[in-house]
Amino acid sequence: EPEVTQTPSHQVTQMGQEVILRCVPISNHLYFYWYRQILGQKVEFLVSFYNNEISEKSEIFDDQFSVERPDGSNFTLKIRSTKLEDSAMYFCASNPRGDYGYTFGSGTRLTVV
Amino acid sequence: GIQVEQSPPDLILQEGANSTLRCNFSDSVNNLQWFHQNPWGQLINLFYIPSGTKQNGRLSATTVATERYSLLYISSSQTTDSGVYFCAGGGGYQKVTFGTGTKLQVIP
Repeated sequence: EPEVTQTPSHQVTQMGQEVILRCVPISNHLYFYWYRQILGQKVEFLVSFYNNEISEKSEIFDDQFSVERPDGSNFTLKIRSTKLEDSAMYFCASNPRGDYGYTFGSGTRLTVV
Repeated sequence: GIQVEQSPPDLILQEGANSTLRCNFSDSVNNLQWFHQNPWGQLINLFYIPSGTKQNGRLSATTVATERYSLLYISSSQTTDSGVYFCAGGGGYQKVTFGTGTKLQVIP
């Protein structure tokens, strides 16, 4: 069964450093998303991406965050200057069309120290 | 934005028992999904169910869109069913809002 692949599975970074989280969505999917889950809390929406542009973003997704689909297969989330409160599990998801369920990747656990 | 309430927050079942999880929405949704987060943290899509009833093995789900709620039924529970069950809903393809989850523990 096709999968959404996320790398790395775990990243530790110093506060203030930039990180790039990588995702390879399922190849024929058109809609892409980033969500995050702080330990023990609910899953929160960050951003949705369609047709090579952001279609919606949450208030969490401020100027330190950006997304890119650089080569038609990868989908990346960049955090420019990490803060301690950015520590969370970051999930990528994709969707073949609007009226369909999401497929989530396994997540990247980001720890900011 | 849409508010999503799930009940119960915690549930302990004996293996073989049945259970019903509920999800209420503050507004109409046309994108409603149920997920299982396993003990390793993976989010597995169980159902895309904006309305009606679906079944997949021991799991089934029913959404009554006009009354803004959805139910997930687990029959003959197994220890592998343990984890957190989330419902998530939204207005379309752009995003879904997750509930706070039901933490299920199935004991042998």
